[in-house]
Amino acid sequence: GDSVTQMEGPVTLSEEAFLTINCTYTATGYPSLFWYVQYPGEGLQLLLKATKADDKGSNKGFEATYRKETTSFHLEKGSVQVSDSAVYFCALSGTSYDKVIFGPGTSLSVIP
Amino acid sequence: DADVTQTPRNRITKTGKRIMLECSQTKGHDRMYWYRQDPGLGLRLIYYSFDVKDINKGEISDGYSVSRQAQAKFSLSLESAIPNQTALYFCATSGWQDNEQFFGPGTRLTVL
Repeated sequence: GDSVTQMEGPVTLSEEAFLTINCTYTATGYPSLFWYVQYPGEGLQLLLKATKADDKGSNKGFEATYRKETTSFHLEKGSVQVSDSAVYFCALSGTSYDKVIFGPGTSLSVIP
Repeated sequence: DADVTQTPRNRITKTGKRIMLECSQTKGHDRMYWYRQDPGLGLRLIYYSFDVKDINKGEISDGYSVSRQAQAKFSLSLESAIPNQTALYFCATSGWQDNEQFFGPGTRLTVL
């Protein structure tokens, strides 16, 4: 069945450091791919998405590119801020669009 | 005003009690979902509904039931709560296009 794997956390970075959170997936066909973010005490919210191969999703300085050949959707940001401290979830929606599969989440802490 | 609301936000109950968690949405979406979040496990799907007459089990439906009272309302019940149902519960909605999920703020449930 469909699945999502993402790097284990927690990740701790200094402010202005470069961020990469790896995400790989297993799915048939061409799923839609998502990154969600959960700030402390809140529900998840969409950070960015890509619906077809080679698409790049971007928002708030974060980027991720849908790589069909490597089945990956890695999240990157060039310079993180303290306010980026949160849990990040990679997710996919298969071609049947009935369910979304979430990865386990990666906790990010950014220190001044 | 929030598009997806959940009540209660926090609940402490005892083993064997019946509990109902409620979800309402103003997004006009047909699809609604209940997820459970546990540390290190990400989000796991409990039940989902594509319209008022459609109810589907997710990966961890045992011990739970749901009711879709209207397009805008989707309730989750624990008929006889047990301690390992202590978790954070999220309701979500989505449209038909790419299954992007819109989450409520969550209900923190503790079963003693």
